[in-house]
Amino acid sequence: DQQVKQNSPSLSVQEGRISILNCDYTNSMFDYFLWYKKYPAEGPTFLISISSIKDKNEDGRFTVFLNKSAKHLSLHIVPSQPGDSAVYFCAASDSGNTGKLIFGQGTTLQVKP
Amino acid sequence: SAVISQKPSRDICQRGTSLTIQCQVDSQVTMMFWYRQQPGQSLTLIATANQGSEATYESGFVIDKFPISRPNLTFSTLTVSNMSPEDSSIYLCSLRLGPHEQFFGPGTRLTVL
Repeated sequence: DQQVKQNSPSLSVQEGRISILNCDYTNSMFDYFLWYKKYPAEGPTFLISISSIKDKNEDGRFTVFLNKSAKHLSLHIVPSQPGDSAVYFCAASDSGNTGKLIFGQGTTLQVKP
Repeated sequence: SAVISQKPSRDICQRGTSLTIQCQVDSQVTMMFWYRQQPGQSLTLIATANQGSEATYESGFVIDKFPISRPNLTFSTLTVSNMSPEDSSIYLCSLRLGPHEQFFGPGTRLTVL
């Protein structure tokens, strides 16, 4: 049972444009959501997070939106840069369950110069 | 954040052998975790490494196959026992510094022949 789903395995965007990565979840107990970026041969790097009491969190070029009713979150990167090319994972946490992270399958983002 | 190192960074092993992966952190942390990322898959939590007590394993993972040690607050090991080609994965340790965010080591890429 995949509780966190990233339905787009890959995304290609032109440099300078917006990248939108999507994530859906099924467990209504999740109350915290995170995005990680992973380059080949490296561990995932924490990018940005959002609590379920918010619907938006912004950090520089990165903004995460949360739609609780739809159980959907998205990561917006604007403007996209070639260095953003990586695999992006969304993850969800249930604070009442030792804070374990459940990860989606990942989306490979390619930003073309 | 913290500096997390893993040894070895990669290894190629024969079927039926065991490999111990080390995770070292530059500061004391209470919660450390071990994940597996099989080829083309998401990150899956193997277990939570508790200092001074036995690890807590997730469904589908057992201590006999993945024994974990946590002798102090800066170090943990994961052993992959009696390996088969299906164990070929990237193994990652992580730690939790805040209520939710986890930070990952660089990973150990294991290939079992």
